[in-house]
Amino acid sequence: DADVTQTPRNRITKTGKRIMLECSQTKGHDRMYWYRQDPGLGLRLIYYSFDVKDINKGEISDGYSVSRQAQAKFSLSLESAIPNQTALYFCATSEREGLSGYTFGSGTRLTVV
Amino acid sequence: DQQVKQNSPSLSVQEGRISILNCDYTNSMFDYFLWYKKYPAEGPTFLISISSIKDKNEDGRFTVFLNKSAKHLSLHIVPSQPGDSAVYFCAASGAGGTSYGKLTFGQGTILTVHP
Repeated sequence: DADVTQTPRNRITKTGKRIMLECSQTKGHDRMYWYRQDPGLGLRLIYYSFDVKDINKGEISDGYSVSRQAQAKFSLSLESAIPNQTALYFCATSEREGLSGYTFGSGTRLTVV
Repeated sequence: DQQVKQNSPSLSVQEGRISILNCDYTNSMFDYFLWYKKYPAEGPTFLISISSIKDKNEDGRFTVFLNKSAKHLSLHIVPSQPGDSAVYFCAASGAGGTSYGKLTFGQGTILTVHP
């Protein structure tokens, strides 16, 4: 099993729909993150969580919300999807000190039509 | 406001030659730098890192150089192999301030190594 599992791998949804992307990890790490990747913009941080009771906005949190259901689970929701949220979404986890780098999931390709 | 910049969107290199990927940063609070490699349909994977107290870190064919005064780092791959063809992301993190515990990524550079 992968250390970080994202579901679904691919999703096409309509404008205005609510959608949830799920992430679970088996690394036992406290810290989890959601990033989106867009061509020419690299990876940008949406939300992050340093433990179950801690949720923080990243640089592009508008239009998104998250839920940290357990140490191992961190889900990202798009309350009302819009076409410019079409992107590749990555979940990641890291150890407490965060210096050994992140472990990423394989990504969710989301298309909003 | 792009705090980590990779100004070369792509790089093409012949197998066996050196690949040099560059990265610039603006935030002086960054003190830890990492390189990630990404293949299509996969998540980024950690490649190599360097702390700001060093100017060089080497791991096999991969070497990262840090020039703090210029706020510049580079990744050297020697010799380059076709399997190195991927997108390379530079990332930075800081021990304090708003960059604490989070990675800020550059735009990525697509490396193509030709046989």
